[in-house]
Amino acid sequence: GENVEQHPSTLSVQEGDSAVIKCTYSDSASNYFPWYKQELGKRPQLIIDIRSNVGEKKDQRIAVTLNKTAKHFSLHITETQPEDSAVYFCAATSDFGNEKLTFGTGTRLTIIP
Amino acid sequence: NAGVTQTPKFRILKIGQSMTLQCTQDMNHNYMYWYRQDPGMGLKLIYYSVGAGITDKGEVPNGYNVSRSTTEDFPLRLELAAPSQTSVYFCAYRGEEKLFFGSGTQLSVL
Repeated sequence: GENVEQHPSTLSVQEGDSAVIKCTYSDSASNYFPWYKQELGKRPQLIIDIRSNVGEKKDQRIAVTLNKTAKHFSLHITETQPEDSAVYFCAATSDFGNEKLTFGTGTRLTIIP
Repeated sequence: NAGVTQTPKFRILKIGQSMTLQCTQDMNHNYMYWYRQDPGMGLKLIYYSVGAGITDKGEVPNGYNVSRSTTEDFPLRLELAAPSQTSVYFCAYRGEEKLFFGSGTQLSVL
């Protein structure tokens, strides 16, 4: 089955700086890679996703890049703000359309004012 | 996101007790899922359903059962609660080609 590794487990950045979270996956057939943000005590919420036919996707301050050859994908947050503090999870699936996702173990991002 | 409703929000069980976690949606979504989230870990898929009358195992199904008699409801049953089932449980549905989670049920088995 799929295995997703996520690094780092914790990350602290100064407000206004950029944050990068990286994930690797094992199944070369994986074709869908979403990122979820989870604030303390809340549900995970989708913030951005990418499919395997695209190398990069942006949404305002958030971007995701995908390297299929190396089997890794990354989340980039620019101009970080205090409200970006949360736990971020990457995920992958080879069964897009079913969303039987395999999740990484999460990155706790802290934005330092 | 009011697409799916989970109850209860919190529950404490004694070892060996049973309970049902409820998950209801009223938007006619076919695909529904149960995930569990252990502290400091990602989410793991317990069971999923692609429509009424159809269910299948996920990554960690042992100790759980599900049913899908209607499109609206996808309850998760714990028959003999064990401490290893202490976790936060999220029901989810697939809409607009994306996965949306309910607000979760925090379960402690003591």
